[in-house]
Amino acid sequence: DTEVTQTPKHLVMGMTNKKSLKCEQHMGHRAMYWYKQKAKKPPELMFVYSYEKLSINESVPSRFSPECPNSSLLNLHLHALQPEDSALYLCASSQDPGGAQNDGYTFGSGTRLTVV
Amino acid sequence: ELKVEQNPLFLSMQEGKNYTIYCNYSTTSDRLYWYRQDPGKSLESLFVLLSNGAVKQEGRLMASLDTKARLSTLHITAAVHDLSATYFCAVDKAQGGSEKLVFGKGTKLTVNP
Repeated sequence: DTEVTQTPKHLVMGMTNKKSLKCEQHMGHRAMYWYKQKAKKPPELMFVYSYEKLSINESVPSRFSPECPNSSLLNLHLHALQPEDSALYLCASSQDPGGAQNDGYTFGSGTRLTVV
Repeated sequence: ELKVEQNPLFLSMQEGKNYTIYCNYSTTSDRLYWYRQDPGKSLESLFVLLSNGAVKQEGRLMASLDTKARLSTLHITAAVHDLSATYFCAVDKAQGGSEKLVFGKGTKLTVNP
């Protein structure tokens, strides 16, 4: 299995809702990432998990809460989002969190989030 | 702060023509990545360049890396309409014991008949 699977593919939520995005990989990768991509912009890093521990938080607002229950799963819990949080949310994984053994990053197909 | 600059940001070219997209980055890195993104889709990995002088080719696309010049190029040969997409280069940056990808702004390529 060489894929990163993200669910759901599309999500519409109200500003008072709580929802979660899920990401799963079975490649034995030990680093997992959440990126946010607005229209016509490059992806921007939100969080990095290294060996199931949060290693990078790019000053993301607390309405986004990441969780890594085990080495294969990564969640992003959403609460009280704003319309400007509407974007494509991409999950990625890589073999080596330290980078020395990295031969690339595998991206999931993304979740298109709309906040209304 | 690592900066990754691509140029051009927009490229309109005719089928059958050749062109090069450039990617400059501001700090030392031995690894550079090229991705393709179609509208509304995720990122598709094109090339992983892991050392100075690396050159990789796939079909009509060829990528190279010069770590001393901090420059990578993506060369398009005899463009076809199917190559229309946005192309991103990205560079690894070490932070907090981990690595993260920093992307250029992307080059939107349109290939016209």
